Amino acid sequence: DGGITQSPKYLFRKEGQNVTLSCEQNLNHDAMYWYRQDPGQGLRLIYYSQIVNDFQKGDIAEGYSVSREKKESFPLTVTSAQKNPTAFYLCASSMDSPGQGNTEAFFGQGTRLTVV
Amino acid sequence: KQEVTQIPAALSVPEGENLVLNCSFTDSAIYNLQWFRQDPGKGLTSLLLIQSSQREQTSGRLNASLDKSSGRSTLYIAASQPGDSATYLCAVSGTYKYIFGTGTRLKVLA
Repeated sequence: DGGITQSPKYLFRKEGQNVTLSCEQNLNHDAMYWYRQDPGQGLRLIYYSQIVNDFQKGDIAEGYSVSREKKESFPLTVTSAQKNPTAFYLCASSMDSPGQGNTEAFFGQGTRLTVV
Repeated sequence: KQEVTQIPAALSVPEGENLVLNCSFTDSAIYNLQWFRQDPGKGLTSLLLIQSSQREQTSGRLNASLDKSSGRSTLYIAASQPGDSATYLCAVSGTYKYIFGTGTRLKVLA
């Protein structure tokens, strides 16, 4: 089955720790995204990547880092610099970036991160 | 700056009713608009994608319309069922990202 796999489903982080959220897609999509969802707020863009080996900061990139070494993988690291990391994190992909062609976005099932 | 608003924030209807969810956006320069469904604690499931050159899309009991000039989209759900209970999100695409509304939480009562 084609799709986007996020792991783990639940993640607990101690103060001062870095943690990495996994996102893998087998849809052969060029573009990948990380969003954060907080209660009562819309999804906010953390980082996006239009193509392998390239990524750009989104609206709330402070305290986060990413890599895009393979087309199918776009891991997100939540660093200790992120002061309020407790949230639901969603990874998405699309064949092309918006404005460039086939832009239907598909999402993974999310990772819920909690600071303990 | 593009802003997306969804009204109402919550809606409760009896089973079998036809209903309309609204999405409005401030900048008409969009590439497409996409409607999603989100169940509690889950990811987003794509329902319908409307390209900027299209006026509407249909899938089963769902019909979405787009009026770029007025900055509005509607999602019409026919003959609602309890299984339709979820949060419905709309998103418009800018140059490199999707901008989301905060969603409408729908509850269909049996």
